[in-house]
Amino acid sequence: QKEVEQNSGPLSVPEGAIASLNCTYSDRGSQSFFWYRQYSGKSPELIMSIYSNGDKEDGRFTAQLNKASQYVSLLIRDSQPSDSATYLCAVKTSGTYKYIFGTGTRLKVLA
Amino acid sequence: ETGVTQTPRHLVMGMTNKKSLKCEQHLGHNAMYWYKQSAKKPLELMFVYSLEERVENNSVPSRFSPECPNSSHLFLHLHTLQPEDSALYLCASSLQGGFTEAFFGQGTRLTVV
Repeated sequence: QKEVEQNSGPLSVPEGAIASLNCTYSDRGSQSFFWYRQYSGKSPELIMSIYSNGDKEDGRFTAQLNKASQYVSLLIRDSQPSDSATYLCAVKTSGTYKYIFGTGTRLKVLA
Repeated sequence: ETGVTQTPRHLVMGMTNKKSLKCEQHLGHNAMYWYKQSAKKPLELMFVYSLEERVENNSVPSRFSPECPNSSHLFLHLHTLQPEDSALYLCASSLQGGFTEAFFGQGTRLTVV
């Protein structure tokens, strides 16, 4: 089983819609969860971090964490063509140095 | 300058060459990382330094040699690479302890010919 799993996509949504990106992880000791956005040919850029169960909102982005289900998601409201990118989920276990990444989900927002 | 800076941005090298990648962070972080990103693969952690001490070495071939002279600088020395080593090499930094994010540099696109 992969440590961090994401659907590779592409996930296509129309402009203005809600994009929902999902991630599952295998290590129950994971305590920190991150979403990064990566445009083609660029480096990953941190969008959101979440550490406790529930929702965390930042502008058009909402991260959701359910530790019991080992599941973290990212919702993007009012999706824009500029949101088209690959979204990477990463997890970190407290006391370790490793940020473990999924393969990423490619999002396409259609104008 | 702010953030994490990597040089060069692009590098083409022959299999017999020796080159080095450089990373510098201006965030006051105390941990630095090298990741490799190949097409259709997740980011692969190569090396981690915490307080200038190597704390993680993920079975990376010896043709990759890291160096961390201080908490702000990280190097990746390359020699006798193979074409399959062509990839995007990313440097990142973070604060160790507690819940902290990692921030990435712009990356070095390496092509081995």
